[in-house]
Amino acid sequence: DVKVTQSSRYLVKRTGEKVFLECVQDMDHENMFWYRQDPGLGLRLIYFSYDVKMKEKGDIPEGYSVSREKKERFSLILESASTNQTSMYLCASSLNSGANVLTFGAGSRLTVL
Amino acid sequence: GDSVTQMEGPVTLSEEAFLTINCTYTATGYPSLFWYVQYPGEGLQLLLKATKADDKGSNKGFEATYRKETTSFHLEKGSVQVSDSAVYFCALGSSASKIIFGSGTRLSIRP
Repeated sequence: DVKVTQSSRYLVKRTGEKVFLECVQDMDHENMFWYRQDPGLGLRLIYFSYDVKMKEKGDIPEGYSVSREKKERFSLILESASTNQTSMYLCASSLNSGANVLTFGAGSRLTVL
Repeated sequence: GDSVTQMEGPVTLSEEAFLTINCTYTATGYPSLFWYVQYPGEGLQLLLKATKADDKGSNKGFEATYRKETTSFHLEKGSVQVSDSAVYFCALGSSASKIIFGSGTRLSIRP
């Protein structure tokens, strides 16, 4: 089975801190995604990547950046965390181009104080 | 633009009741349609999918039929169990980057 692993399940950070959320997949998927999940809003796409060193903005990229130095790893970076970035962050991957099935990690719940 | 609208929750049912969660979509072209489920404390996982009109996706007793004429993909199950308690997301995908999720419907099943 494809496995998507998010390194931190729960994080508590202070306003202004730099935050790294790490995601690793083990099935050689081309595409990787970062979503945030908020009650009543469903999932909103922050950034995605089709290939190593490649990134594209999603619907809500402001305040975030990403890094994909290796195919299996996709990192989400909050340069200066703010309280409105308190959320559940979900990483996902899919095989290749086209509307393929997404495989999700368990999520990282971030609280910014 | 493309969008997904699903019925608001929470939905509370008794065990063995019939379940319907409504989902309608707006899209250009012919997207694939998905239902994902999120159990407590977990990420989302695919429940079922359909890739073209009149296709029926099914899994674990759940079914949904891709209805192009009504732009709908309603989720149904004939007899729910306590273990079906979760949040259900309808989604459409027209490309790898354009996978759009509904807001989710929380389902609780009473024993």
